[in-house]
Amino acid sequence: AQTVTQSQPEMSVQEAETVTLSCTYDTSESDYYLFWYKQPPSRQMILVIRQEAYKQQNATENRFSVNFQKAAKSFSLKISDSQLGDAAMYFCAYRSGNAGGTSYGKLTFGQGTILTVHP
Amino acid sequence: DSGVTQTPKHLITATGQRVTLRCSPRSGDLSVYWYQQSLDQGLQFLIQYYNGEERAKGNILERFSAQQFPDLHSELNLSSLELGDSALYFCASSDRQLIGANVLTFGAGSRLTVL
Repeated sequence: AQTVTQSQPEMSVQEAETVTLSCTYDTSESDYYLFWYKQPPSRQMILVIRQEAYKQQNATENRFSVNFQKAAKSFSLKISDSQLGDAAMYFCAYRSGNAGGTSYGKLTFGQGTILTVHP
Repeated sequence: DSGVTQTPKHLITATGQRVTLRCSPRSGDLSVYWYQQSLDQGLQFLIQYYNGEERAKGNILERFSAQQFPDLHSELNLSSLELGDSALYFCASSDRQLIGANVLTFGAGSRLTVL
């Protein structure tokens, strides 16, 4: 079974600064996908960024980028130029790439990191 | 609005009772997933349905059951409720085939409080 670990229960950053959220995972699969989701106070789960394991290039989405280290099974999220609206709980998630598996679409989540942004 | 509709948004009930949570997936999506988010367990996968059939089962209690109807909406039934069942229950949906890094679309959740 796959596991996802976020070792930072809470993080804080000053507005306009950069912060990195950590995530490690454990899997025996070679084909999989990794995601970062944001959950603001509204509770809605919002996709931030996604990464295919077969791609060596790190994904970027505007101010959000990842550092994907496949051998180390590490998938950290970097938020640049932090904004007050970035304050939320952030979840790292894993999804199997085995299309024949019975839990193909299932996401396995980490415990989450609460990000506070100070003005 | 994500396109995934969950009702009710909030529900308060007593121990021992039974409740039903409803989910309408995004238009065109055939798969529905249920997740439970609680303080002690985090976000946990409960069950997945695809076009009316159960496809995968996670950490779902025997007191809980779900189904997906011909119109593709899904219901999660929680019975003999206990205090520990208090949680946020998410429904998510996805296209018939999760191609590549396509994602699940989440609803806003149903907050269940058991007193």
